[in-house]
Formats: sequence, C-alpha cells, structure tokens
Amino acid sequence: EVQLVESGGGLVQPGASLKLSCVASGFTFSDYWMSWVRQTPGKTMEWIGDIKYDGSYTNYAPSLKNRFTISRDNAKSTLYLQMSNVRSEDTATYYCTRNRRYFDFWGPGTMVTVSS
Amino acid sequence: NIVMTQSPKSMSISVGDRVTMNCKASQNVGNNIAWYQQKPGQSPKLLIYYASNRYTGVPDRFTGGGYGTDFTLTINSVQAEDAAFYYCQRIYNSPPTFGGGTKLELK
Repeated sequence: EVQLVESGGGLVQPGASLKLSCVASGFTFSDYWMSWVRQTPGKTMEWIGDIKYDGSYTNYAPSLKNRFTISRDNAKSTLYLQMSNVRSEDTATYYCTRNRRYFDFWGPGTMVTVSS
Repeated sequence: NIVMTQSPKSMSISVGDRVTMNCKASQNVGNNIAWYQQKPGQSPKLLIYYASNRYTGVPDRFTGGGYGTDFTLTINSVQAEDAAFYYCQRIYNSPPTFGGGTKLELK
C-alpha cells in the first residue's frame, strides 16, 4: 500500500526557517518524481514544486523559488521541503504527492502556521 | 500562466441527482486535466486524469469530459459520500495550476 507521511509542521515565527519531511513507503520511491502542494486555510491549492526521481532536477512555482528548496534522499525514501524566511501567507497545510504528471497519491499533510 | 476557473463555487443537490461541474482553462490545454476529490479533514484523492480517464477504484458514476479549454466532471446518481470539494488541475506541463474548487453539498 502506497503511503506518504509528512512531518515537521508547526507554529513558526515570521522570518524563520522550517524543514518538512515526507516519508514514502509501498512503492519504489526512486522511480518517481515527487511534488509538494500546499492548501491555504481558505482552501486554495497551490503547487510548490517538483523533483525528478534521481534528484537531479527541480522545478518551482516562480513566486516561491527564492525561498523554498525541494530535495530528496532516495536511500531513506524521504522527500524534503526547506522553507526559509517564512511569511504569514505561507500558513497552510503542506502535502507531498507522487507525481505521474497527475498527482496520484497524497499524504495526510502537515500544517504550518506562521505567526508571532 | 494558465488560469483554471471552476464553476459553480458551490452546489447543493439531493442524493440520486445527476450533477455536472465545470472547469475552464484560460488557454488550450488539450486533455491535460485532472480532477480531485477532497472530503472534510482528508487529503485530495485523484478521480480523473487526462480529462476522461477514471483512476483505479473510482466508481463509474464519476465521468470526466472535455478538451481544449472547457472540461466537466459529472457525477451520476450522487451518493451521500460524494459530499466534498472538487478541484480540477492542469497537468503535464508546468505550472500544474489548480482551479478554485467546487463545493458539493447534499440537501
């Protein structure tokens, strides 16, 4: 059974950094592109970025590429999202997804709240 | 960037009814559309990909259609468990933009 489980969310102050993780199981992680998507409290869904199966290529939403970095460790079947200089508008639930051009599996999400 | 616009924003229907929701792309996207269902407190689940392909395990009362800029998701004989948000997404090319969603409520 495919499973994706995110962690690392919580309450963080504006300007801080935060690293989210997503542990995958039930499939060969190193065979798949992966993506991060976030959903605001108002239910807006926003694609953050993708990473190629071997980690050699990443692609980001232009508005986020200067502050967010996606990486992966295939030996650990783990996807990461490094967030820096966070802002109140980054408050959202963050999902990791398996990317086959469409997103066929999603984790339960981890909530990030940016507030002082 | 391509903008995806969903309509209506919400709808309230009865069990057993047939419902159609819409997704309009600001440019031609061919058949590169996916639909997702998100129930309260859950993560989204893939329903349809490449506009009309039903994903594994999705009941056949869900049907996707359309090409180019106009797409539909139809649910035949809506069931109580279909109450959810539904999102369309432009896929295959970047950025994979989402629509604003349609909330389906049951009367």
